[in-house]
Amino acid sequence: DAKTTQPPSMDCAEGRAANLPCNHSTISGNEYVYWYRQIHSQGPQYIIHGLKNNETNEMASLIITEDRKSSTLILPHATLRDTAVYYCIVRVAMPTYGQNFVFGPGTRLSVLP
Amino acid sequence: DAGVTQSPTHLIKTRGQQVTLRCSPKSGHDTVSWYQQALGQGPQFIFQYYEEEERQRGNFPDRFSGHQFPNYSSELNVNALLLGDSALYLCASSLNGDRGRETQYFGPGTRLLVL
Repeated sequence: DAKTTQPPSMDCAEGRAANLPCNHSTISGNEYVYWYRQIHSQGPQYIIHGLKNNETNEMASLIITEDRKSSTLILPHATLRDTAVYYCIVRVAMPTYGQNFVFGPGTRLSVLP
Repeated sequence: DAGVTQSPTHLIKTRGQQVTLRCSPKSGHDTVSWYQQALGQGPQFIFQYYEEEERQRGNFPDRFSGHQFPNYSSELNVNALLLGDSALYLCASSLNGDRGRETQYFGPGTRLLVL
C-alpha cells in the first residue's frame, strides 16, 4: 500500500473550515484515499473516501488533486466535537480479497473555542 | 441498526495468561478485521476473517489467533500474554465484494492491560 504523509498536528478555530492535507505521492491508479478519525479512546470513525473525483457527504469534503498525489479533507464548519486524530489512508480495492487499512500516526486536530 | 459491538470493554490479565476478545459485526456485514492499537500509535492490522477463514494476516506472531462463527461474529485469542500486548484491540466489519467500497466500520474496542 502507498504510504501517506500528514502533519502531526493542526489547530482550527471553532466555526471555521478545517483543511487537513495528506500527501500520497506513490499512489497507484487503483488505490482509493480513505479518511477516518479517532476521538480519544474510541474506535476510528469512517469519514469519506474517493478515487479521483472530489467527494462530499454530510460530514466532510474530499478534494483530490488531478495527479492524485495529494488530497485535502475539509470540515466546513469545525466544532469542538471535531477534535480528534485524523487518518489518511490509501488502499487498493481488491474485489476478490480482503482489504486492510495501514494507519499512520495521523494528524491531531485541535478545534479551539 | 446496531453497529459493531465488542466485549469486554476493559480487561486486566497477567503475563503468560490467555485472553479471548469478542466482536459482533454491523448488521449485514460478513467480514471481520482485527487491529491492535498501542498507546499513541495508529491501529495495526492483525488479521481478517471471511467465510469463517483467515484470509489475510498482518505481521503478528502465532500467539494471535482468531475465529469466525457462522453468524459472522468473531473472536480474537492471544496466548502467552506479554506486557507489550497491552493495547486497545479494535474490531472492524465490512461487506465483502463491494468493489472498492468495502468500508470498514470500527467498534469501540477492548482495552487490555497485561501486568
